[in-house]
Amino acid sequence: EAGVAQSPRYKIIEKRQSVAFWCNPISGHATLYWYQQILGQGPKLLIQFQNNGVVDDSQLPKDRFSAERLKGVDSTLKIQPAKLEDSAVYLCASSFQAVYGYTFGSGTRLTVV
Amino acid sequence: ILNVEQSPQSLHVQEGDSTNFTCSFPSSNFYALHWYRWETAKSPEALFVMTLNGDEKKKGRISATLNTKEGYSYLYIKGSQPEDSATYLCAFYGGGGADGLTFGKGTHLIIQP
Repeated sequence: EAGVAQSPRYKIIEKRQSVAFWCNPISGHATLYWYQQILGQGPKLLIQFQNNGVVDDSQLPKDRFSAERLKGVDSTLKIQPAKLEDSAVYLCASSFQAVYGYTFGSGTRLTVV
Repeated sequence: ILNVEQSPQSLHVQEGDSTNFTCSFPSSNFYALHWYRWETAKSPEALFVMTLNGDEKKKGRISATLNTKEGYSYLYIKGSQPEDSATYLCAFYGGGGADGLTFGKGTHLIIQP
């Protein structure tokens, strides 16, 4: 089966600019997650979707981050405006049921300068 | 906030040697413990999903054990090969409606030829 697709792979932007990441999950996976992995730390959940509804966004900095999953398939994560501390790898994952494990995309490495 | 600890943070191992590392997690509200391998520039890859106390799982030269009562899991690699070089992440799943995983910081393993 095709994996989780993410784009772009790399992005460099200046602080205060905007950026958007895209994710296409495994077909049939109802649950989609966005994780942020800052260098030296473990991945941190930003937002979880079940179909096109938000299940958990408690750790999403809502003053600058937004995410949507239209039609319950593809998802976009946006940062506006970006800060230096947003430099990280942004991972998208999907699952049929979390207990069976996630399938991750290859991530977007964001550098804010 | 759930605390998932992994040790050591990094590990250098000679090719052919065996090694192991640890993940500790909350022993209450346990549902599953996941192990992932994350090679540079690739997607994190699911190794094991463990749910039962005393579970032992094996995949080739890699195996894992689980103790939910004391809250730890060990990952073992037998006869390390250069392709085993990666970051190994464990993640705790406590069940419930929001099923995001809580990750440790990972163990960065380097196999030296």
